[in-house]
Amino acid sequence: DVVMTQSPLSLPVTPGEPASISCRSSQSLLNSNGYTYLNWYLQKPGQSPHLLIYLGSNRASGVPDRFSGSGSGTDFTLKISRVEAEDVGVYCCMQTLQTPYTFGQGTKLEIK
Amino acid sequence: QLQLQESGPGLVKPSETLSLTCTVSGGSIGSSNYYWAWIRQPPGKGLEWIGNIYYSGSTFHNPSLKSRGTMSVDTSKNQFSLNLSSVTAADTAVYYCARLDFGYGSAQIDCWGQGTLVTVSS
Repeated sequence: DVVMTQSPLSLPVTPGEPASISCRSSQSLLNSNGYTYLNWYLQKPGQSPHLLIYLGSNRASGVPDRFSGSGSGTDFTLKISRVEAEDVGVYCCMQTLQTPYTFGQGTKLEIK
Repeated sequence: QLQLQESGPGLVKPSETLSLTCTVSGGSIGSSNYYWAWIRQPPGKGLEWIGNIYYSGSTFHNPSLKSRGTMSVDTSKNQFSLNLSSVTAADTAVYYCARLDFGYGSAQIDCWGQGTLVTVSS
């Protein structure tokens, strides 16, 4: 299985400050079609996850532009340019290149 | 607007079979670019892919479940189901159903159900 490793696991952030989450995969997520099969999700407290970023760097519909995804191969980053109170929750990366699809452990973002 | 809703018992006894159904509304389960998936999250832990099914009935099951899982689809009811046999306390989790978009330029879960907690206990 492809192992997904996130860091940090806990991220206290002051509102208005930037935040960055790292996700590393045990093998490259670059598909032969040129797409990178790495997605980011946010699970707000008491809710199911929802899609933020797909194929490494594409924002999902309705996602604010303060969220951005980058990276390639095995190293990926989710950045929030200016954290807002509504951004609290658990951020999780997921690979869909190879079954079984696998998730990172999750990074809990909290407001200082 | 696509919606997925899990249903099934919230309490299952050890060694019995966990059965869940996901009802899809606002879209057709027979669409060709989508897989339909089951994912679970044990309390305080991360997400685990259980498996997925295509409208034709073809399936993938996570080998970690050691052949205990079976999935089926009923296109006439716009539903898909999960059966997990010989459950133990380790199968206690919130179970989500979800849609996986695998159209051109896509490879992501784009819709999740609200999740249902299943507890395995006598």
